[in-house]
Amino acid sequence: AQKVTQAQTEISVVEKEDVTLDCVYETRDTTYYLFWYKQPPSGELVFLIRRNSFDEQNEISGRYSWNFQKSTSSFNFTITASQVVDSAVYFCALSAPNTGGFKTIFGAGTRLFVKA
Amino acid sequence: DAGVTQSPTHLIKTRGQHVTLRCSPISGHKSVSWYQQVLGQGPQFIFQYYEKEERGRGNFPDRFSARQFPNYSSELNVNALLLGDSALYLCASSLRAGLAGGSYEQYFGPGTRLTVT
Repeated sequence: AQKVTQAQTEISVVEKEDVTLDCVYETRDTTYYLFWYKQPPSGELVFLIRRNSFDEQNEISGRYSWNFQKSTSSFNFTITASQVVDSAVYFCALSAPNTGGFKTIFGAGTRLFVKA
Repeated sequence: DAGVTQSPTHLIKTRGQHVTLRCSPISGHKSVSWYQQVLGQGPQFIFQYYEKEERGRGNFPDRFSARQFPNYSSELNVNALLLGDSALYLCASSLRAGLAGGSYEQYFGPGTRLTVT
């Protein structure tokens, strides 16, 4: 069975602080994909990053960085120097093979509050 | 370019009724997925369609069905509505799908808010 756990329900930080959002996943598949999505107050989910199970390289995109560790089944997301506009719910998702395609499973999300 | 569009935006139905939700993917995208998002939770996968064929199915009862049309738009149908079906229904499109191509990033529409009374 596949599962995504985001243990942090809510995180509150002050602007310019660094913050890490945790994601732990479970799957028996050797081929799978991991994603992070952002859901701002407006409600529309926004794609942030995609990683396949064979690529453990960490990635940095501006103030965002991702740490993928297969040994601990984790795919953590760090925002450096957070800004108020980063306030949103962040979802980690796992996409694994299912009947000819892929089934995407989302975690429960972490709500991030960034205060000015 | 237009993003993923969904209609209607909001819908109120009575228990036992049937509902049809519609989705148009981003131009050039051939895969559409449907999700149910209950307040305070992550989206739950319902279906994925690619080239008009079902390519993935979540743990939802047979009251939920979907189809994809030749222009890649899609409909989600829910029969015999229950109070628990009240949720935000999200449609997402991606370039392609299928095991050979891998799982691509999805682009989400604004959703249809369904309220069942």
